Amino acid sequence: SQQGEEDPQALSIQEGENATMNCSYKTSINNLQWYRQNSGRGLVHLILIRSNEREKHSGRLRVTLDTSKKSSSLLITASRAADTASYFCATAERGANSKLTFGKGITLSVRP
Amino acid sequence: NAGVTQTPKFQVLKTGQSMTLQCAQDMNHEYMSWYRQDPGMGLRLIHYSVGAGITDQGEVPNGYNVSRSTTEDFPLRLLSAAPSQTSVYFCASNTRGRPFEQYFGPGTRLTVT
Repeated sequence: SQQGEEDPQALSIQEGENATMNCSYKTSINNLQWYRQNSGRGLVHLILIRSNEREKHSGRLRVTLDTSKKSSSLLITASRAADTASYFCATAERGANSKLTFGKGITLSVRP
Repeated sequence: NAGVTQTPKFQVLKTGQSMTLQCAQDMNHEYMSWYRQDPGMGLRLIHYSVGAGITDQGEVPNGYNVSRSTTEDFPLRLLSAAPSQTSVYFCASNTRGRPFEQYFGPGTRLTVT
């Protein structure tokens, strides 16, 4: 069963704009991660936020976590055409022995 | 480091045929996993391993076998291919020290006719 559900399913923005993607989940988690997948490639880990953290930054990425609402958001600032990809949230449940559960993904298109 | 490698990149099978998807990693990671990715379904865990000689089932294990005789290799065997197994297969690995940050291979695109 899918744990993470991303929203929206697809997003199209102009280069330079910010992109915000959301993820909701159902159970208690140890951490939540975001991955990027370029067309025809494997997934690449972007950022991890632990359940006791509320916000984390990495370069142009900002991720927030609200465990009371069981939701997370990924913000990409000053988007570039190279950010065009699919983005997935993945949750690691407590005691799940390293297993990750992935959402269905968000397709981001950044128009030059 | 080559990271996580998968072979073949593409494969076409007929229904009922068997084959093995290969996965290897050179990062000395203890954990390895197999996922399948289908349109609109995200990634679903097939099998995973927390070390040599130890494997366990994921969300969609039926029709697949795995074994882990070495730390480096984690092959996925399709016993009798079915059209429902048409998918893109990804192998991933991670270390016990950072257990949840997974490194993915480039994938194998499998078509079963």
